[in-house]
Amino acid sequence: AQRVTQPEKLLSVFKGAPVELKCNYSYSGSPELFWYVQYSRQRLQLLLRHISRESIKGFTADLNKGETSFHLKKPFAQEEDSAMYYCALESGTYKYIFGTGTRLKVLA
Amino acid sequence: EPEVTQTPSHQVTQMGQEVILRCVPISNHLYFYWYRQILGQKVEFLVSFYNNEISEKSEIFDDQFSVERPDGSNFTLKIRSTKLEDSAMYFCASSVRLGEGTEAFFGQGTRLTVV
Repeated sequence: AQRVTQPEKLLSVFKGAPVELKCNYSYSGSPELFWYVQYSRQRLQLLLRHISRESIKGFTADLNKGETSFHLKKPFAQEEDSAMYYCALESGTYKYIFGTGTRLKVLA
Repeated sequence: EPEVTQTPSHQVTQMGQEVILRCVPISNHLYFYWYRQILGQKVEFLVSFYNNEISEKSEIFDDQFSVERPDGSNFTLKIRSTKLEDSAMYFCASSVRLGEGTEAFFGQGTRLTVV
């Protein structure tokens, strides 16, 4: 079954601390994975995708096929990073599958 | 920058009534989607649409739901006879293609409240 799991509903960190938002997936093929972010009262927007191997706003994510993970990391959290983060899998069958999301709160 | 737009932003309807949620996808996109998010729960796939027909639908997308692209720009979701449990945020999305790490662009959502 195709599935995305985000085990943490809420993650609170202090400003300047490292952040890691966990994402595990279940997919039989070659996965295409994304992190979407939703800031307060805004639409879901793409943060980064594994295929680009990019760093956006200081965030990176590495696909680990052995552990079936795609954790999102940032070395130094900022207050403006506070948002809802969703890991998503493009299943190759006309849909994106989302995890339950993790709310990140960065405390001053 | 082009955006997916959805109207209305909030719709309140009585149980049993029909509602139509409207979306204008990004103009050169070919794949269209509806998702919903019940308060406090995850973003759930409802249906995808390509080449004027449904490509895939979830178990949620039963006979009371239908989608249409009536005029080449709008993409609508109709709920024929609303139930209380249809109350949710409904998101429309579009993408230019599938695969190759293609991004889906989301609208701001329509909050549907069934009373």
